[in-house]
Amino acid sequence: ETGVTQTPRHLVMGMTNKKSLKCEQHLGHNAMYWYKQSAKKPLELMFVYSLEERVENNSVPSRFSPECPNSSHLFLHLHTLQPEDSALYLCASSQDPWSYEQYFGPGTRLTVT
Amino acid sequence: DQQVKQNSPSLSVQEGRISILNCDYTNSMFDYFLWYKKYPAEGPTFLISISSIKDKNEDGRFTVFLNKSAKHLSLHIVPSQPGDSAVYFCAASAFIQGAQKLVFGQGTRLTINP
Repeated sequence: ETGVTQTPRHLVMGMTNKKSLKCEQHLGHNAMYWYKQSAKKPLELMFVYSLEERVENNSVPSRFSPECPNSSHLFLHLHTLQPEDSALYLCASSQDPWSYEQYFGPGTRLTVT
Repeated sequence: DQQVKQNSPSLSVQEGRISILNCDYTNSMFDYFLWYKKYPAEGPTFLISISSIKDKNEDGRFTVFLNKSAKHLSLHIVPSQPGDSAVYFCAASAFIQGAQKLVFGQGTRLTINP
């Protein structure tokens, strides 16, 4: 595997379910990010991790819980989501948190029913 | 309040001609600007960037222009090719709270017609 991978690519979940999104980067980078892209809206930054420490939480509701166990892996734990949380969730990585260029995964298309 | 705006949701250009995609921003703190390209079912891929201390950066068929006084940047693709058909996102960057924070525009869907 190369670059940034995300699993699953598609996810349908009910409002009472608990699920997790997984991201893995194979680039040796030290910073990772979660973005959300809702329909007809720009990408919105949710979380930033640098060397497994969270450095940014962009006012995201607590029903989204990130986890970064090491510099290659990033998770987004989901629980009691709302239908308006349906969106494309993109993971990205960069060499370090002050690098401008970010490398994106293909995203997970989440539908909350 | 959207800090980065791409006012054209779509653009159609004839193959071989120039494609010009535009982007406006409002925050003077942004010090670096990037263009990303996105194909369906793939994540955005980095295309070209420009520092706020420059007004032009060129890479092959792609050139980005920055007008700081107008808070405007544009991406020129010449000549346009069918493989350039994709959604293009403008992004602006500022270093806030220990990390480079990218703010994206809504995207412009470019279609190159043969």
